[in-house]
Amino acid sequence: DQQVKQNSPSLSVQEGRISILNCDYTNSMFDYFLWYKKYPAEGPTFLISISSIKDKNEDGRFTVFLNKSAKHLSLHIVPSQPGDSAVYFCAQEGGQGAQKLVFGQGTRLTINP
Amino acid sequence: NAGVMQNPRHLVRRRGQEARLRCSPMKGHSHVYWYRQLPEEGLKFMVYLQKENIIDESGMPKERFSAEFPKEGPSILRIQQVVRGDSAAYFCASSPLGEGGYTFGSGTRLTVV
Repeated sequence: DQQVKQNSPSLSVQEGRISILNCDYTNSMFDYFLWYKKYPAEGPTFLISISSIKDKNEDGRFTVFLNKSAKHLSLHIVPSQPGDSAVYFCAQEGGQGAQKLVFGQGTRLTINP
Repeated sequence: NAGVMQNPRHLVRRRGQEARLRCSPMKGHSHVYWYRQLPEEGLKFMVYLQKENIIDESGMPKERFSAEFPKEGPSILRIQQVVRGDSAAYFCASSPLGEGGYTFGSGTRLTVV
């Protein structure tokens, strides 16, 4: 059974500091992971992705790390800004390329001024 | 270039009625995906369609739910004889090539009373 878990429902970080969001998965067969950001009453917006040929992918303030042996990935945001306050979803491809995604439950990130 | 358009944004139905949710993909996108988000949960894959074809409906409930993506017009997610448990946010996404990182719409929030 393919599961993606985000065990922290919420996270509060001070503006300017680093935000670290975590995600664990159970099925190593699929090796493409994505992070989405979601504001209230809007659809998820793609942030950054990583495939298992890498252990790190960076895009501006956002970096995703993949630890295949631990079946764990994390999203680092630095420095954190008030506009980063949102719900963040981790997702793993669920077969047939990345046409079907399996999402975690989400982590609500709040950036405090 | 308009994004993925979903309508209506909010839909209220009484138990036993039918709900029709519409999704117009981004221009040039021929792949459509439907996801459902129950309160306080992540998004769950329902169905993946190309024009006039259902590619993967492994996440669709066996009864009352159907989806189509005709040659002309939007994709439709249809829920017959709605029950309270169908209350959720339904998100549509589209992509040009059936690959990950696709674009989501803002969702339709269905409330069954």
